[in-house]
Amino acid sequence: DARVTQTPRDKVTEMGQEVTMRCQPILGHNTVFWYRQTMMQGLELLAYFRNRAPLDDSGMPKDRFSAEMPDATLATLKIQPSEPRDSAVYFCASGSDSGGNTIYFGEGSWLTVV
Amino acid sequence: AQSVSQHNHHVILSEAASLELGCNYSYGGTVNLFWYVQYPGQHLQLLLKYFSGDPLVKGIKGFEAEFIKSKFSFNLRKPSVQWSDTAEYFCAVRNTGFQKLVFGTGTRLLVSP
Repeated sequence: DARVTQTPRDKVTEMGQEVTMRCQPILGHNTVFWYRQTMMQGLELLAYFRNRAPLDDSGMPKDRFSAEMPDATLATLKIQPSEPRDSAVYFCASGSDSGGNTIYFGEGSWLTVV
Repeated sequence: AQSVSQHNHHVILSEAASLELGCNYSYGGTVNLFWYVQYPGQHLQLLLKYFSGDPLVKGIKGFEAEFIKSKFSFNLRKPSVQWSDTAEYFCAVRNTGFQKLVFGTGTRLLVSP
């Protein structure tokens, strides 16, 4: 089955370290989303790409977070420097214009910053 | 801007009880509507979706949802829940201009055996 692949699945890091999360969207999908999920805030949209172009990153803290799509098969979310409040599950999702508006989620990257 | 409201934050039911989870959205244009389910420790999975046509949509695992345009609602239903339906349920809306998918805050369902 085609699926969105995220790495790492789990990451524990110390405050101040750089964290990079990677996402491989479903082959042929042209939209990619990064969401963050916490108990307090629920699901928050961090960034949204369409055809590799960033369309909306208004939900992302600009001072420490950055999101890129170096190519159509890879999306990255970087946190530098990381802080304990960044501890969350980060989900990547992808979709296709030709496949309607359905997006499919990866299994998430569980980040803990200590 | 789009927004989604899920009024029930926590629901506790016994097995075989009927379920209805409320979802209301605010957006004046044409939208696509979704329900996702997240089982404990897992990622979000699509339960069902509405794009157009019959406003009563059937999804997986016996779930269905009804789109009522006049009420801006897309409530999720299941006639008889099972213990395995224990999960968090998210309603989401996306306008047809392929803009971002906006989620509600989720409803945690606990089904007791």
